[in-house]
Amino acid sequence: GESVGLHLPTLSVQEGDNSIINCAYSNSASDYFIWYKQESGKGPQFIIDIRSNMDKRQGQRVTVLLNKTVKHLSLQIAATQPGDSAVYFCAETGTASKLTFGTGTRLQVTL
Amino acid sequence: GAVVSQHPSWVICKSGTSVKIECRSLDFQATTMFWYRQFPKQSLMLMATSNEGSKATYEQGVEKDKFLINHASLTLSTLTVTSAHPEDSSFYICSAETGGAGAQETQYFGPGTRLLVL
Repeated sequence: GESVGLHLPTLSVQEGDNSIINCAYSNSASDYFIWYKQESGKGPQFIIDIRSNMDKRQGQRVTVLLNKTVKHLSLQIAATQPGDSAVYFCAETGTASKLTFGTGTRLQVTL
Repeated sequence: GAVVSQHPSWVICKSGTSVKIECRSLDFQATTMFWYRQFPKQSLMLMATSNEGSKATYEQGVEKDKFLINHASLTLSTLTVTSAHPEDSSFYICSAETGGAGAQETQYFGPGTRLLVL
């Protein structure tokens, strides 16, 4: 079936460096993509989203890139801070509202 | 804006009892809410889609008679785990959908409810 997956299960970066979290999706009909951040014991927190008619979208310290040709999504976090440590999930949805989540990447920020 | 709450945040119950979890959208009306389950170190798995005023739509493999969902208003959906067993112990998370006509609907998540069945 269709799925959304991640390339790296754990990413360790130094404080102040930039982080890049990648996600591959397989449903070519997906038209809306979201990145969520989940801290331990909490629900997912919306970070940024992008529609399929865009290839880049920027927020505060975060940028999402979408490459529809290779079905790849990435989240870039600038100047990573200790508070960014969490598990990051990409999610996609198509014509229905149901979200399909990736497996998650744990971001560890070292001092 | 777009705040979703859940109650309780954690619950411990005996095997065979039923547990009700509430999900509320605090500052918006949500026609559609979703219930997810998350096991440790795993991703979120959708259990069911809850639509206000109608029956919930359950994902394949989710027992509708065991996980009762009621979406009685535009701001409240409840999940009742009936006759809970230890294997039902998990982190249950709800989400509510925002947006309207012509807008992309985004799901905002509650803080989750940790259920431990003894």
